[in-house]
Amino acid sequence: EPEVTQTPSHQVTQMGQEVILRCVPISNHLYFYWYRQILGQKVEFLVSFYNNEISEKSEIFDDQFSVERPDGSNFTLKIRSTKLEDSAMYFCASSELSGTRNQPQHFGDGTRLSIL
Amino acid sequence: KNEVEQSPQNLTAQEGEFITINCSYSVGISALHWLQQHPGGGIVSLFMLSSGKKKHGRLIATINIQEKHSSLHITASHPRDSAVYICAVRFSVSSGSRLTFGEGTQLTVNP
Repeated sequence: EPEVTQTPSHQVTQMGQEVILRCVPISNHLYFYWYRQILGQKVEFLVSFYNNEISEKSEIFDDQFSVERPDGSNFTLKIRSTKLEDSAMYFCASSELSGTRNQPQHFGDGTRLSIL
Repeated sequence: KNEVEQSPQNLTAQEGEFITINCSYSVGISALHWLQQHPGGGIVSLFMLSSGKKKHGRLIATINIQEKHSSLHITASHPRDSAVYICAVRFSVSSGSRLTFGEGTQLTVNP
């Protein structure tokens, strides 16, 4: 069964450094998402992406964050000037369609980001 | 405020028991998802439903739109069912495709 793959599985970064989290969505999927889960807390929506642009973002997704689809397969989340509170598990997800039609979202295994 | 609440937060059962996890939400939705999060952190989608009932193996999910409530049932529970079960909803078409998540229910099934 097709999977969403995320790399790396664990990233350790010094505070203030930039980090890029990578995701390969399922190949025929058109909508892509990033979520994060701070340890012990619930999963939170960050951003959704469709047709090479952000379709929706949460209040968490400020200027520190950016997303990109640099080629036909990868979907990346960049965090500039990381802060301690950025430490979390980051999940990528994809779905075939969205908009007015409900579609299941398929999640990757996550990247655990630790900021020191 | 659009919220999702789950109960119980923690649930311990003996192997073979029937399990029920509940989810309620504050306003109308277009879809509700049940997800399973493994101890390593990975998330697996179990069900997406907008009405009625769905069944997959020993798992059954139901939703009552009028009551704004959904339940996830596990029949003949097994230790391998031990995981965090998460309810997530898409509140409306106008709010886009984002999911809003509950806190999760930690299920432990003892042999």
